[in-house]
Amino acid sequence: QKEVEQNSGPLSVPEGAIASLNCTYSDRGSQSFFWYRQYSGKSPELIMSIYSNGDKEDGRFTAQLNKASQYVSLLIRDSQPSDSATYLCALNSNSGYALNFGKGTSLLVTP
Amino acid sequence: ETGVTQSPTHLIKTRGQQVTLRCSSQSGHNTVSWYQQALGQGPQFIFQYYREEENGRGNFPPRFSGLQFPNYSSELNVNALELDDSALYLCASSFWGGAEAFFGQGTRLTVV
Repeated sequence: QKEVEQNSGPLSVPEGAIASLNCTYSDRGSQSFFWYRQYSGKSPELIMSIYSNGDKEDGRFTAQLNKASQYVSLLIRDSQPSDSATYLCALNSNSGYALNFGKGTSLLVTP
Repeated sequence: ETGVTQSPTHLIKTRGQQVTLRCSSQSGHNTVSWYQQALGQGPQFIFQYYREEENGRGNFPPRFSGLQFPNYSSELNVNALELDDSALYLCASSFWGGAEAFFGQGTRLTVV
């Protein structure tokens, strides 16, 4: 079984702080990496995708990928209470096929 | 909103019954994937459809089956429902060969 590991949390950060969410994976053939945000009772929403080593920034979100260490992370700057959700790390090794998800990290941003 | 729509949003079925869930993909997308998400877990891949054929399947028994239609919409059928089939069923659409997948709002299935 190709594993995607995430700390289940909850990760609690104060409003305005940086939230750091981490994900490790076992399949070295993984090519595409994604972060989804899922509010309670809702479906996953794609917030970031990253395909090559390094950082990718989009607004308050930064995704970081290190294929050598098999590690992908998501930073959320200036965290807001509306960022409180479960963040799912997902990856696939063959475009067009299955996404392999972690169990998600629950983030709580406190006012 | 992703443009991916699923129906129904909620469903209650009795053990042993059969259920059909439906999904309309985002405009322009030609690939549909189905996932099952149990409470507190990440989504688990059931199967994917492209050009009306199953293209990849996860670790789910044959009583989980599907269809894709010429307009790229899709159905997920589950026969002989079991209590453990209670979950959120998610449909995701994408371009074939494109990695980004976008989810519909899901169907919450409860088996009693």
